[in-house]
Amino acid sequence: DTAVSQTPKYLVTQMGNDKSIKCEQNLGHDTMYWYKQDSKKFLKIMFSYNNKELIINETVPNRFSPKSPDKAHLNLHINSLELGDSAVYFCASSTQGSDTQYFGPGTRLTVL
Amino acid sequence: GESVGLHLPTLSVQEGDNSIINCAYSNSASDYFIWYKQESGKGPQFIIDIRSNMDKRQGQRVTVLLNKTVKHLSLQIAATQPGDSAVYFCAESKFQFYFGTGTSLTVIP
Repeated sequence: DTAVSQTPKYLVTQMGNDKSIKCEQNLGHDTMYWYKQDSKKFLKIMFSYNNKELIINETVPNRFSPKSPDKAHLNLHINSLELGDSAVYFCASSTQGSDTQYFGPGTRLTVL
Repeated sequence: GESVGLHLPTLSVQEGDNSIINCAYSNSASDYFIWYKQESGKGPQFIIDIRSNMDKRQGQRVTVLLNKTVKHLSLQIAATQPGDSAVYFCAESKFQFYFGTGTSLTVIP
């Protein structure tokens, strides 16, 4: 079974649309994250959730909103998509007391 | 945010040789460092970590060296294999993680 899974793997959409990316982890971890990786492979943390509370919110546009229905899921909603949102988005998770993060396979978002 | 950078964006090595990937970090208060490996089309995968109270840590074919004086981190891969071809990231942490840009390692058969 995949430890951290994301859907969809690829997402192609038009500017102005609203889209969501889903993430699920079956590791029993209590903290989940969203990262954005640009075309130069630079990884930047966007959000993290611990026990359903947002504990990191980097300077990302408020068009991006994380939603965690339960400890095993952290979905990423993006409103009014822009060309600059095109990137690969990674979900990750970790457990309290451990700094090691386990990453999902990524979702490649292309905004046309 | 913190600045975590890599000295070389690309590195090519002959199969069987040793590889050294370097990383500079800016926050002297960072107390935890991780190296990740990212293969094409996949998410980053944990390789090895080191805490600031250590200078060296060894894993299977990999060694991480930490020089806090010059804020430098390196990853050494022994007997590099074609499967080691990937992008390698260092990350530093005090309260949150900051990733470097990444070094692309290509192993030549």
